[in-house]
Amino acid sequence: NAGVTQTPKFQVLKTGQSMTLQCAQDMNHNSMYWYRQDPGMGLRLIYYSASEGTTDKGEVPNGYNVSRLNKREFSLRLESAAPSQTSVYFCARNLPDEQFFGPGTRLTVL
Amino acid sequence: DQQVKQNSPSLSVQEGRISILNCDYTNSMFDYFLWYKKYPAEGPTFLISISSIKDKNEDGRFTVFLNKSAKHLSLHIVPSQPGDSAVYFCAASGNTDKLIFGTGTRLQVFP
Repeated sequence: NAGVTQTPKFQVLKTGQSMTLQCAQDMNHNSMYWYRQDPGMGLRLIYYSASEGTTDKGEVPNGYNVSRLNKREFSLRLESAAPSQTSVYFCARNLPDEQFFGPGTRLTVL
Repeated sequence: DQQVKQNSPSLSVQEGRISILNCDYTNSMFDYFLWYKKYPAEGPTFLISISSIKDKNEDGRFTVFLNKSAKHLSLHIVPSQPGDSAVYFCAASGNTDKLIFGTGTRLQVFP
């Protein structure tokens, strides 16, 4: 998946539990993104990071936090998971003119 | 407010015929448009793009057309093949690194 790895691939949480989705790129690109994909909603941007140490909210940031401690890694944290956060989560890195996506994390919140 | 719209959730086309996927946008500041293809259980992969200074871009069987006055773009696949069966997302960007995606169109190519 174009040099973007995501862990875990699948996760089931109970309401109120917390977890961190990990994303790493094997290139030295500045911009990284977190999206969620839901049926009939397309891909919606949760957070993005233009460079190491900087993060900005996207379209649907509520209930999430992110961390970009270094250029390679961009993590997404759910502090208190809710059923509405059941989704498939994709991390992406940016090249000029296109984005490369990881394979996704399928998260179910019961 | 959906800035990028794909009004057809699904499309079914016979193998060998042309597939036409449509996308409309509302933000006149968008100047770059992309199409992504997504198979089940995989991340989206880049397919083709077009800058607003062009009205057509072609790459093998895939052609994207842009009509700026109508704020409309389309992806033509000809001839369609069964391996083209996937969900197709259009996306747009302005003067930032952020992409705004449409809701996707599921294309099924049958023999």
